[in-house]
Amino acid sequence: QQQVKQSPQSLIVQKGGIPIINCAYENTAFDYFPWYQQFPGKGPALLIAIRPDVSEKKEGRFTISFNKSAKQFSLHIMDSQPGDSATYFCAARRTGNQFYFGTGTSLTVIP
Amino acid sequence: DAGITQSPRHKVTETGTPVTLRCHQTENHRYMYWYRQDPGHGLRLIHYSYGVKDTDKGEVSDGYSVSRSKTEDFLLTLESATSSQTSVYFCAIRQRGATDTQYFGPGTRLTVL
Repeated sequence: QQQVKQSPQSLIVQKGGIPIINCAYENTAFDYFPWYQQFPGKGPALLIAIRPDVSEKKEGRFTISFNKSAKQFSLHIMDSQPGDSATYFCAARRTGNQFYFGTGTSLTVIP
Repeated sequence: DAGITQSPRHKVTETGTPVTLRCHQTENHRYMYWYRQDPGHGLRLIHYSYGVKDTDKGEVSDGYSVSRSKTEDFLLTLESATSSQTSVYFCAIRQRGATDTQYFGPGTRLTVL
């Protein structure tokens, strides 16, 4: 059973557009929510992360929105660029040491 | 890359053979993780370690064992490989601080025929 549900599976946007990737969870023991970016042939790399006591976090062009009551969080990429084309994974940490990942979203930004 | 190497990077083996994948780190991190990545499933935790000789199971641990006899090395063993274990395997170290960050290695592509 997938602990973190991620959508959409793939996304195509024009340069300058704002792709939005959504994730949802049920387990209230999750206490930390990172997003990872992965380029082909590479391992994932941490992009940005949020804790559930915060509703929004921005780092550069990347923003996480977090809705604790709905158990949902999303990644927004402002002014998207072709270099942002990658696979994005949301994740959740269960209190302690285990991390659960979403199924990934393949983003293509068209020049 | 946080000083993480994985070996081998690619391996083709036959069903029923034992396989050991190695993860090596150079920065003395306490936590190390093994994940597998499959289309439609994302990354799934196999096992993790929180110190030398201290390991615990993840969500897909059946058919896998691990060992950590020294801080820098975390070994993943498939005792008798099956075709369902064909996957890309990633090792990660965890750095806890202002952010709780996992740094991933370059991955090992394993094909079981």
